[in-house]
Amino acid sequence: QAGLTQPPSVSKDLRQTATLTCTGNSHNVGYQGAAWLQQDQGHPPKLLSYRDDSRPSGISERFSASRSGDTASLTISGLQPEDEADYYCSAFDASLSAWVFGGGTRLTVL
Amino acid sequence: QEQLVQSGTEVRKPGASVKVSCKASGFTFSSYYMHWVRQAPGQGLEWMGMIDPRGATTYAQNFRGRVTVTRDTSTSTIYMELSSPRPDDTAVYYCAREAGAFDLWGQGTMVTVSS
Repeated sequence: QAGLTQPPSVSKDLRQTATLTCTGNSHNVGYQGAAWLQQDQGHPPKLLSYRDDSRPSGISERFSASRSGDTASLTISGLQPEDEADYYCSAFDASLSAWVFGGGTRLTVL
Repeated sequence: QEQLVQSGTEVRKPGASVKVSCKASGFTFSSYYMHWVRQAPGQGLEWMGMIDPRGATTYAQNFRGRVTVTRDTSTSTIYMELSSPRPDDTAVYYCAREAGAFDLWGQGTMVTVSS
């Protein structure tokens, strides 16, 4: 099943800002928006944002999400070493009646 | 506190079905959509299927006919059974709660399929 498109890797310097993207179509990201998940090696994913720009309690304000049309974005400001992880977007695809994920972006903090 | 606790590591020979459990606590699990997601070694997340609050199931096209998701409301446990597994089904299998997004995850269950 078709998934969402994410760049495989992004590298940014410590304390800089990284913006990760997730591109879908009008049936998924453009339909009900996207959520973002963070996954550290060897651990289950953790929800960072949902419904495009909402943050669960306990998630740092350094993480902000947005959407423009069929593309969702996650911006991480003031990068810290602990932000180095894999980031996935997810969305419900109404045409497939299925949930889809992006392939994931590995963020490296230099 | 809200948590999902999964059963332990499984090793199977090709063709021998495997059933993974996920016990919910701290919330009314029958009020939520509950999902199964897997992750092959070094790969991304792959949605497998779900069971809704009414008990109805939906599966990803790739898994229809091979995966069965069930639940036991008396023990707040959901199950995922994979039949006729192949070596490329080797992965970590996660259960996850969904309320518009996957907001609570189990710790994962490693399933290895090898002859």
